[in-house]
Amino acid sequence: DAGVTQSPTHLIKTRGQQVTLRCSPKSGHDTVSWYQQALGQGPQFIFQYYEEEERQRGNFPDRFSGHQFPNYSSELNVNALLLGDSALYLCASSRLAGGKETQYFGPGTRLLVL
Amino acid sequence: RKEVEQDPGPFNVPEGATVAFNCTYSNSASQSFFWYRQDCRKEPKLLMSVYSSGNEDGRFTAQLNRASQYISLLIRDSKLSDSATYLCVVNILTGTASKLTFGTGTRLQVTL
Repeated sequence: DAGVTQSPTHLIKTRGQQVTLRCSPKSGHDTVSWYQQALGQGPQFIFQYYEEEERQRGNFPDRFSGHQFPNYSSELNVNALLLGDSALYLCASSRLAGGKETQYFGPGTRLLVL
Repeated sequence: RKEVEQDPGPFNVPEGATVAFNCTYSNSASQSFFWYRQDCRKEPKLLMSVYSSGNEDGRFTAQLNRASQYISLLIRDSKLSDSATYLCVVNILTGTASKLTFGTGTRLQVTL
């Protein structure tokens, strides 16, 4: 049973560019959440997708957008990259059942903006 | 005030020691609670869920006090392999939407 997968593993971009990160959820999961983790900090919630719609969003600007596909996989897009966007981007998948939910994380994409 | 607060450490303990981590959260609407473990440059991995009645998994014991909005993790008989950052996490469910809020993590270094 494959866990959560993410691609690419590493990425280097320059300021002003755009980036797309990809995530495939764990088998049986229908919900994908994205997090940004800066060095020395805990992950910060960006947004969550379910049934191809964004259903909750954290305090991130509109430069951060996403998409979920019918097969539950997801993309995170960041436009007009800033140096401060350099971080580990984590995808987590889950399935809500009986009012309980546990999120499982992928290995992350390490983004460096120069 | 941060939504989830943890002592960042580091906690340096010898093998075999018992170590306790504490965490407080500010949102009383928080509904489920977890400890995740994160190794250097790796993703967070679920260590255990935390229940009001307290729960144990081998050498690990987690406690939750909803009235005080306080969560703890106790590690007994520490192993070198326990060295990692331990993240306190709360989840707020709103209908079918959920949001995990993480503390900054507490770093543990177990030494010989």
